[in-house]
Amino acid sequence: AQSVTQLDSQVPVFEEAPVELRCNYSSSVSVYLFWYVQYPNQGLQLLLKYLSGSTLVESINGFEAEFNKSQTSFHLRKPSVHISDTAEYFCAVGKAAGNKLTFGGGTRVLVKP
Amino acid sequence: ETGVTQSPTHLIKTRGQQVTLRCSSQSGHNTVSWYQQALGQGPQFIFQYYREEENGRGNFPPRFSGLQFPNYSSELNVNALELDDSALYLCASSLVLGGANTEAFFGQGTRLTVV
Repeated sequence: AQSVTQLDSQVPVFEEAPVELRCNYSSSVSVYLFWYVQYPNQGLQLLLKYLSGSTLVESINGFEAEFNKSQTSFHLRKPSVHISDTAEYFCAVGKAAGNKLTFGGGTRVLVKP
Repeated sequence: ETGVTQSPTHLIKTRGQQVTLRCSSQSGHNTVSWYQQALGQGPQFIFQYYREEENGRGNFPPRFSGLQFPNYSSELNVNALELDDSALYLCASSLVLGGANTEAFFGQGTRLTVV
């Protein structure tokens, strides 16, 4: 069985400040790791993914996440947030890229001017 | 390339009724998964369809059922609706090819309210 824990349910942050969203997972097998973003009243959008290779993965809009196998973590970071980054962020794991995903409870990021 | 589309966007049903939600997969994708997202929670896997057959199921009762059609679109049916079925239902499509499975792309969801 797999599980995902997002340690912070809400993260308030000022515009242009850095943010880190924590994600820890447990699994008895190798997994793929994902971060999805959900804007109000919308579905999920894939932000970035770790399938294999380099443990540091980056998105096109400045987010990055680092896979740490020993700590079973996949924390998401952005060095400088914008108002438009206000959203809910979900960490997810799966045994295959598109198969059953197990999601964390989400972290709501509120960027303040 | 068309994305994942779901219909309807919103729906209100009465307890005990039945509901059908629809999903058109992204162009080129052959696998559809359904998730239930209760308010304030992360999505939970309901089931996945591949080659018109159920290919994995989460911890949901049999009154949650589905179909996949030859064009890879899918339906989610819920019988005997309960108040706790109120949620955002998300459909995700992916491509299974040669044993490999691409990442899932999600639709906008159907917001179901049971009263």
